[in-house]
Amino acid sequence: EAGVAQSPRYKIIEKRQSVAFWCNPISGHATLYWYQQILGQGPKLLIQFQNNGVVDDSQLPKDRFSAERLKGVDSTLKIQPAKLEDSAVYLCASSEKRGGNNEQFFGPGTRLTVL
Amino acid sequence: GEDVEQSLFLSVREGDSSVINCTYTDSSSTYLYWYKQEPGAGLQLLTYIFSNMDMKQDQRLTVLLNKKDKHLSLRIADTQTGDSAIYFCAESGSSNTGKLIFGQGTTLQVKP
Repeated sequence: EAGVAQSPRYKIIEKRQSVAFWCNPISGHATLYWYQQILGQGPKLLIQFQNNGVVDDSQLPKDRFSAERLKGVDSTLKIQPAKLEDSAVYLCASSEKRGGNNEQFFGPGTRLTVL
Repeated sequence: GEDVEQSLFLSVREGDSSVINCTYTDSSSTYLYWYKQEPGAGLQLLTYIFSNMDMKQDQRLTVLLNKKDKHLSLRIADTQTGDSAIYFCAESGSSNTGKLIFGQGTTLQVKP
């Protein structure tokens, strides 16, 4: 079974530029999560999708971050414009269902450096 | 509120047991998890425990849950150099959406 795929693996941009990350979840997984992991910290949920609908985006800085999952499969996360404090690893995860004991499978992440 | 705290670093010798501790704040969390993160990789689920259990054993891993004190621990028996990684404790929190709240991670260093 293929795991969660993410691209790119690394990205370096200057502040005020824009950037986009892509995630392909495990086939058949209805729930998709984007986490931000700042160096030395645990992952923090940015947004959660159930199929193509948003379940939780309470921690997403909506003035600069946006995410979509138009067909309920792949997802993109965009930052525009980027700030220095956005430097982090962006992790995508998917699970079969939401709630209960839903094992989340994580991708390798995209490491973003904002200069 | 929801918060998870872990000690930052643990160093053990190969063959010893490792115990990684975690405290959480949300008593309504139904599930508590331990994830492992190796350098440059995503998180991998190691084990989980349902909140009505006190203990769960899975091969070299033993999870202990003290719900009264909101304390969770992960014991790794016969620790190997391949166990060197960052270990994250996570709680499911009060929502039923599947959202996880992670601790800051404990770096386990295993010396040969």
